[in-house]
Amino acid sequence: DAGITQSPRYKITETGRQVTLMCHQTWSHSYMFWYRQDLGHGLRLIYYSAAADITDKGEVPDGYVVSRSKTENFPLTLESATRSQTSVYFCASRSSPELGELFFGEGSRLTVL
Amino acid sequence: DQQVKQNSPSLSVQEGRISILNCDYTNSMFDYFLWYKKYPAEGPTFLISISSIKDKNEDGRFTVFLNKSAKHLSLHIVPSQPGDSAVYFCVPRRMETDKLIFGTGTRLQVFP
Repeated sequence: DAGITQSPRYKITETGRQVTLMCHQTWSHSYMFWYRQDLGHGLRLIYYSAAADITDKGEVPDGYVVSRSKTENFPLTLESATRSQTSVYFCASRSSPELGELFFGEGSRLTVL
Repeated sequence: DQQVKQNSPSLSVQEGRISILNCDYTNSMFDYFLWYKKYPAEGPTFLISISSIKDKNEDGRFTVFLNKSAKHLSLHIVPSQPGDSAVYFCVPRRMETDKLIFGTGTRLQVFP
């Protein structure tokens, strides 16, 4: 089924552990994004990528690492998870910058104990 | 530095009536405005948009109005339906960075 998928959907981890959230899209969209959603903040941009091997920081990049070796995948890694990174994470993609419409995955709920 | 403000965290409207969701922004460089809708446990989905060169855009029951001088936009839903119950995000685009800035959202509840 075409679209954008995230895994895992739910994850519980402990402080200090490394966690990787996966994002895969089947549209061959150039642009991919990672957002986090927290109460009172809406969605905040963590990292984005304009194409394979091109990534850039968003509003809240600290504590996160991304890579984009293939167009269809955009994993987000928390190298040493902290409680403040407990959140719902959304991956999104779009084909071109002109109109700005994003297609979102269903989200990954991460709890850091 | 909140560039986008949705001052009403929640709104409750009776089915069949008009829902009006408001959004204020501070950055005059925003050139495009989008509204996204989000149901629980799902990702946001695009609803409607408007370019800064227009003051109104209509799509079925949804109309977005833009007042550039007041830096204000609003989303009107007429008539409101229970299936419209969701969180609505106002999302301006920053022309100089091509990034989308999400507001904090307004939770709309449409009751029978």
